[in-house]
Amino acid sequence: AQSVAQPEDQVNVAEGNPLTVKCTYSVSGNPYLFWYVQYPNRGLQFLLKYITGDNLVKGSYGFEAEFNKSQTSFHLKKPSALVSDSALYFCAVRANTNAGKSTFGDGTTLTVKP
Amino acid sequence: NAGVTQTPKFQVLKTGQSMTLQCAQDMNHEYMSWYRQDPGMGLRLIHYSVGAGITDQGEVPNGYNVSRSTTEDFPLRLLSAAPSQTSVYFCASSSGVGDHGTQYFGPGTRLLVL
Repeated sequence: AQSVAQPEDQVNVAEGNPLTVKCTYSVSGNPYLFWYVQYPNRGLQFLLKYITGDNLVKGSYGFEAEFNKSQTSFHLKKPSALVSDSALYFCAVRANTNAGKSTFGDGTTLTVKP
Repeated sequence: NAGVTQTPKFQVLKTGQSMTLQCAQDMNHEYMSWYRQDPGMGLRLIHYSVGAGITDQGEVPNGYNVSRSTTEDFPLRLLSAAPSQTSVYFCASSSGVGDHGTQYFGPGTRLLVL
């Protein structure tokens, strides 16, 4: 079975400060890891993914994430937060052998205050 | 490309009624999935399909049926609606080749069962 844990329901940061949204995962085999963002009353949008290779991956809107195999983590980061980054963020995992079945975390609400 | 479309946007049902939530994609993706989103519970996979004619259960399949007669369409059927099925439903599609299973989401259907 595969699973994702996002230990923080809420993350609050001041605009201009760095932000981190945490994610840990469990999966059999090699993981494919994803971050998605959801704005109010919208569907989820893809931010970035880790498939293989460099542990630091860069995505949309200045976000990046670091894959750590030993800690089974895939934390989302941004060096300087914007108020417009305020949204609900989801981490997801799937096994490299099953493209059809992804498991999502419960989501973390990011609030960036001016 | 319209991407992933879902209809209706909003629906109110009475307990025991049946309905079909429609989902269509025009990206020729082989994988399609249905999720429900409930507060504090993230996205939970209901059913998914790895190609036309092939479907499988996710983590919360009870009370829902699916079929996949074409690549484009993946309807979700509620046979006898219950208040516990009040939720927001998202359909997603993905390609296992090239895009590594990155999911593209529809705008969602908000369902209220009275």
